[in-house]
Amino acid sequence: SQQGEEDPQALSIQEGENATMNCSYKTSINNLQWYRQNSGRGLVHLILIRSNEREKHSGRLRVTLDTSKKSSSLLITASRAADTASYFCATGDRGSTLGRLYFGRGTQLTVWP
Amino acid sequence: DTEVTQTPKHLVMGMTNKKSLKCEQHMGHRAMYWYKQKAKKPPELMFVYSYEKLSINESVPSRFSPECPNSSLLNLHLHALQPEDSALYLCASSQLDTREKLFFGSGTQLSVL
Repeated sequence: SQQGEEDPQALSIQEGENATMNCSYKTSINNLQWYRQNSGRGLVHLILIRSNEREKHSGRLRVTLDTSKKSSSLLITASRAADTASYFCATGDRGSTLGRLYFGRGTQLTVWP
Repeated sequence: DTEVTQTPKHLVMGMTNKKSLKCEQHMGHRAMYWYKQKAKKPPELMFVYSYEKLSINESVPSRFSPECPNSSLLNLHLHALQPEDSALYLCASSQLDTREKLFFGSGTQLSVL
C-alpha cells in the first residue's frame, strides 16, 4: 500500500508553540499534499509539494519533502487554538491513474489556549 | 465559487431503505470523487468520475451505486446497507490531474440502523 504514515498519531501543545508532524510513504510519488479536517467535517487542502521541491511555505505552514527518505514534515508555527484538527498527508503514485490519492492515518493536533 | 456542496448533512436509514446522497460543484472540475471515512480513520476512495464517466471503482459493494448526471452533479444511491456502512461520506472534485488538489464537501454523516 502507498498509504502514508503520520507521526505522531496525537500531539498536544500550548498556543504559541510550534507543531511538527511527519509523514512517511512507500513508493515514488508525483506530489505530496497536506489536508486538515475539523471533527466530522470535510477536508481542507493546506499545501502541495511536488516531488522536485524540497521545501514550501504558506503563511504559518512550512512543508519539507525528502524523496530519498520518502518522508515529509509539516510545521505549523505559532499555533492557535483554532489549529486544533486532524492533519493528513496524501500521496499519489507517480504514473498512477487519476484519483488514486492515498491518505495517511492522520495526526490529531490539540492546541490548548 | 470554490465550494463543494453535499446534502443531506445527516442521514439515518434502515437496512431496507433506499436513499441518495447528493454532491454539487460549480468550479468546472471534470473529476469527482466519493470517499468513505470511518471515525478516527483516513478517507478511503470509493469511486472516481472523469468527464462524467466512471473511471475508478475501488471494489465497492453493489449496494452503493454512483451516478454522475452532468459535470456539476454527483450522486451516491444507497440500498440495503449494513450497519457497518455507517460512516462519513465525502464528495470531492478536482481538475483532471491527479497532481492537483482536491476540494472536499463537508460530508454526509450516515447512520444505518
